[in-house]
Amino acid sequence: DQQVKQNSPSLSVQEGRISILNCDYTNSMFDYFLWYKKYPAEGPTFLISISSIKDKNEDGRFTVFLNKSAKHLSLHIVPSQPGDSAVYFCAAISTGTASKLTFGTGTRLQVTL
Amino acid sequence: GAGVSQSPSNKVTEKGKDVELRCDPISGHTALYWYRQSLGQGLEFLIYFQGNSAPDKSGLPSDRFSAERTGGSVSTLTIQRTQQEDSAVYLCASSARAGGPTGELFFGEGSRLTVL
Repeated sequence: DQQVKQNSPSLSVQEGRISILNCDYTNSMFDYFLWYKKYPAEGPTFLISISSIKDKNEDGRFTVFLNKSAKHLSLHIVPSQPGDSAVYFCAAISTGTASKLTFGTGTRLQVTL
Repeated sequence: GAGVSQSPSNKVTEKGKDVELRCDPISGHTALYWYRQSLGQGLEFLIYFQGNSAPDKSGLPSDRFSAERTGGSVSTLTIQRTQQEDSAVYLCASSARAGGPTGELFFGEGSRLTVL
């Protein structure tokens, strides 16, 4: 039962272009969503988050969009840089339950020169 | 250090042996999580501690897996009679509080377990 889904295992984008990573969820109790970035041989690091009361959150080159009716969120990176090449995990939590983050399977982003 | 520390970073063991993986969370973090990532898979939740108690053990895949946390700090994940399918990177994470408005977890670098 995959409650958080990232249907694209990989994505290749040219440097300077926009990267769009997508994530879908099925649990309507999720009310907070996060994106983590993972380099090889390192643990995931927090990137950006969004509460379900918002539909957009921006932090520098990174913007997360949330469409609650579609149970869909996306991470936009613009402009993409080679250092952005990593695996990106979408995660969700129901804050009222004080429980764990549920992660998607990840999307490997490669930013080419 | 200031981050989450895990040991060993790499462990190779023979099928049937027991292994222990250790996690030192960020000082003062009350919530501690174990996840694992198998080859080509996402992050799979195993167990969550709030203080020394484990209110959610739902992700432990079998009774060969157990975990404890002492003093509200260090946690040990034990896998008994290891099987080849246990091979994965085991990630520990800590958080200042469980869930909460951010749910932000701070991860260690993981312990890579290979069962031959």
